[in-house]
Amino acid sequence: TQLLEQSPQFLSIQEGENLTVYCNSSSVFSSLQWYRQEPGEGPVLLVTVVTGGEVKKLKRLTFQFGDARKDSSLHITAAQPGDTGLYLCAAPPPLNAGGTSYGKLTFGQGTILTVHP
Amino acid sequence: NAGVTQTPKFQVLKTGQSMTLQCAQDMNHEYMSWYRQDPGMGLRLIHYSVGAGITDQGEVPNGYNVSRSTTEDFPLRLLSAAPSQTSVYFCASSHTIPDGRNSPLHFGNGTRLTVT
Repeated sequence: TQLLEQSPQFLSIQEGENLTVYCNSSSVFSSLQWYRQEPGEGPVLLVTVVTGGEVKKLKRLTFQFGDARKDSSLHITAAQPGDTGLYLCAAPPPLNAGGTSYGKLTFGQGTILTVHP
Repeated sequence: NAGVTQTPKFQVLKTGQSMTLQCAQDMNHEYMSWYRQDPGMGLRLIHYSVGAGITDQGEVPNGYNVSRSTTEDFPLRLLSAAPSQTSVYFCASSHTIPDGRNSPLHFGNGTRLTVT
């Protein structure tokens, strides 16, 4: 099973600050997904990155897929209290893995973000 | 727009008891899966199914059984509950078009299970 290392595990910041969350692995992936989870709910997809070097923006959130497709980052500009939650990266089995890959996402440990007013 | 529905939301069991966690989806997704979420460990795959009548084991299958008799339903059975199975359980589904490998998961809101 490939490992997705997410860092930092916890982030506590003030409203208006910027932050970056990292998701790293030694494996090469066909894609990487970012989810956000709020208390009492299931994770919800934010974005999927597919191409090496790809950058996607979702309002104040910027997602980047590494050139070698082994890592990704999530950058939030001017964080707001509404950004508070658990952020998870996830990836399908590596390209050289056998068997079916559908629905078999591996998740990072998650980053708990708290944005204080 | 129900999506993925899980029941119950909360459950307390005693060691050795059995129960079934229910999961239903109304999006006609072929693929369904069960994850457990524990602090500091992200989500770990228990079992998954690529279609009715087809199931397979994930990363942490021991102590759990599944079946997939219809496209819509994917129940998870705990045969003899143990304290180590205390966790939050999530059911998820995904589609195959246009790219099944990279399809995002649609999650239910989870079942919080405590085994004493």
